[in-house]
Amino acid sequence: DSGVTQTPKHLITATGQRVTLRCSPRSGDLSVYWYQQSLDQGLQFLIQYYNGEERAKGNILERFSAQQFPDLHSELNLSSLELGDSALYFCASSVSTGGTLNTEAFFGQGTRLTVV
Amino acid sequence: GQNIDQPTEMTATEGAIVQINCTYQTSGFNGLFWYQQHAGEAPTFLSYNVLDGLEEKGRFSSFLSRSKGYSYLLLKELQMKDSASYLCAVRSRPWNTGFQKLVFGTGTRLLVSP
Repeated sequence: DSGVTQTPKHLITATGQRVTLRCSPRSGDLSVYWYQQSLDQGLQFLIQYYNGEERAKGNILERFSAQQFPDLHSELNLSSLELGDSALYFCASSVSTGGTLNTEAFFGQGTRLTVV
Repeated sequence: GQNIDQPTEMTATEGAIVQINCTYQTSGFNGLFWYQQHAGEAPTFLSYNVLDGLEEKGRFSSFLSRSKGYSYLLLKELQMKDSASYLCAVRSRPWNTGFQKLVFGTGTRLLVSP
């Protein structure tokens, strides 16, 4: 158990709908990352938050948004869903001191989103 | 931008040694990670390099050459359970942001056969 919790584990929804994925980071971790992994694809970096503020953005679609709350949990909102959005969505957290320390990212078990 | 390259697939035999290479191009390099991911599961941390050289951890070792933008993961005494994808990830701090990003390569699928 990595200590990172994601809910729900599975989600099936129709095209055009909106969903919210939730992530609770490890206790003490200030940094949260969101990744998308389509079938047989690599992890695509979406966005990173640090202590409530957006810090880095990857190839995140405009239909997607995220936020990190004062209690450090994060939510990823996906709207106007398309069939191609079906994927595993992972959240990861790290201490993220900003130095060269071995502050590896710990991953949650992911949310499998199926758009039908 | 960032570019991370790994072979797509590799095969090896139980008990053998396999080396998985990763090359990268990035600005503000600040560490390289290797993760293991079994199908449908979360990636799990294997190793970390920030300075040049070899880091050994049991059956797994990882090497880094920053000047060449190159790393490899070495797996010894392969076991069937080592069949998984191995992800190379580069942490960088772009000069104009001050904050770190963690970007993954597409991963190398390793199949270990008896």
